[in-house]
Amino acid sequence: ELKVEQNPLFLSMQEGKNYTIYCNYSTTSDRLYWYRQDPGKSLESLFVLLSNGAVKQEGRLMASLDTKARLSTLHITAAVHDLSATYFCAGPLLGYSTLTFGKGTMLLVSP
Amino acid sequence: DGGITQSPKYLFRKEGQNVTLSCEQNLNHDAMYWYRQDPGQGLRLIYYSQIVNDFQKGDIAEGYSVSREKKESFPLTVTSAQKNPTAFYLCASSVRPAPGQGNTEAFFGQGTRLTVV
Repeated sequence: ELKVEQNPLFLSMQEGKNYTIYCNYSTTSDRLYWYRQDPGKSLESLFVLLSNGAVKQEGRLMASLDTKARLSTLHITAAVHDLSATYFCAGPLLGYSTLTFGKGTMLLVSP
Repeated sequence: DGGITQSPKYLFRKEGQNVTLSCEQNLNHDAMYWYRQDPGQGLRLIYYSQIVNDFQKGDIAEGYSVSREKKESFPLTVTSAQKNPTAFYLCASSVRPAPGQGNTEAFFGQGTRLTVV
């Protein structure tokens, strides 16, 4: 059974600071997804990481994937208030067609 | 515009009632999914379907039922057997993955918030 663990589950940070969210998964997976969810809203796709060593950047967010370590990271650079949201990572067990989600990291960026 | 439409946005259910949540997509995706979200629990898979007229139970299927009569539609019925149905329900769809390949990216609808009154 694929398990996906995120940490931290809650992150309060000041604007301008850097931080990293970690996503560990328990079994073989060839890809990893990151989603963003605003309060009361649905999930929005952020990054699709399809291979070992993949790195993608969008604005102040950068995601990476290490399939050998079964680890993905979401790095936040110089945080701004607009980044406040809950971030989920999700992985598919190889050969299966569904995604398993982590519990999410609630990020709060304050002045 | 292509996308996934869930309705209604808010739904109230009385004790003992069955209710049906609608999910329609015009992305021409073969695979569709239903997830339930509770605070602090992340998303949990209820049912999924990879092709018309076929569907499989997810991790928390008890008290729920689905049908897949059309490619575009995957309605979810919350039955009276579901004892704690208050939650946020999310429908998603994706391209059907090739055999032996991991899942492709899932796209989500806007969700239905169900409350028992």
